Amino acid sequence: DTEVTQTPKHLVMGMTNKKSLKCEQHMGHRAMYWYKQKAKKPPELMFVYSYEKLSINESVPSRFSPECPNSSLLNLHLHALQPEDSALYLCASSQDPGDSSNYGYTFGSGTRLTVV
Amino acid sequence: SQQGEEDPQALSIQEGENATMNCSYKTSINNLQWYRQNSGRGLVHLILIRSNEREKHSGRLRVTLDTSKKSSSLLITASRAADTASYFCAPGTGGGNKLTFGTGTQLKVEL
Repeated sequence: DTEVTQTPKHLVMGMTNKKSLKCEQHMGHRAMYWYKQKAKKPPELMFVYSYEKLSINESVPSRFSPECPNSSLLNLHLHALQPEDSALYLCASSQDPGDSSNYGYTFGSGTRLTVV
Repeated sequence: SQQGEEDPQALSIQEGENATMNCSYKTSINNLQWYRQNSGRGLVHLILIRSNEREKHSGRLRVTLDTSKKSSSLLITASRAADTASYFCAPGTGGGNKLTFGTGTQLKVEL
């Protein structure tokens, strides 16, 4: 299995809703990432997990809450989002957290989130 | 981590032609990666070139790296309509987990 699977593919939520995005990989990668991508912009790093521990938070608002229950799963819990949070949310994984930039990242297809 | 800058921002060519896009970066790197993104989809890792390499090939892709000029180029030969996508470079500084992407080159290959 050489894929990163993200669910759901599309999500529409109201500003008072609570929802979660899910990401799964079975490649034995020990680094996992959340990126946010607005239209016609590059992906922006949000969070990094290394060996199931949060290692980087790029000053992301607390209405986004990441969780890594085990080495294969990564969740992003969403609460009280704003319309400007509408974007494509991408999950990625890589082989070695200690030197992950020496390995390519494997990305999922993303969750297209619309906040209404 | 550092961000690369791709040039040109947009490129339109005919099928069968070659496409070249460039990436410049500011500080020393351990490697540089290139990714492709089809519209609205995830990124696909294309190739990683290490700082001690000057050229690398993968199928129709050729990547060069000039560390003295802090630049890299991606050449796609004999382009196809399916190559239409955005292409991003990502300089890797090593020892960390912050891979960041430049603004990308939007390539359109027309029939």
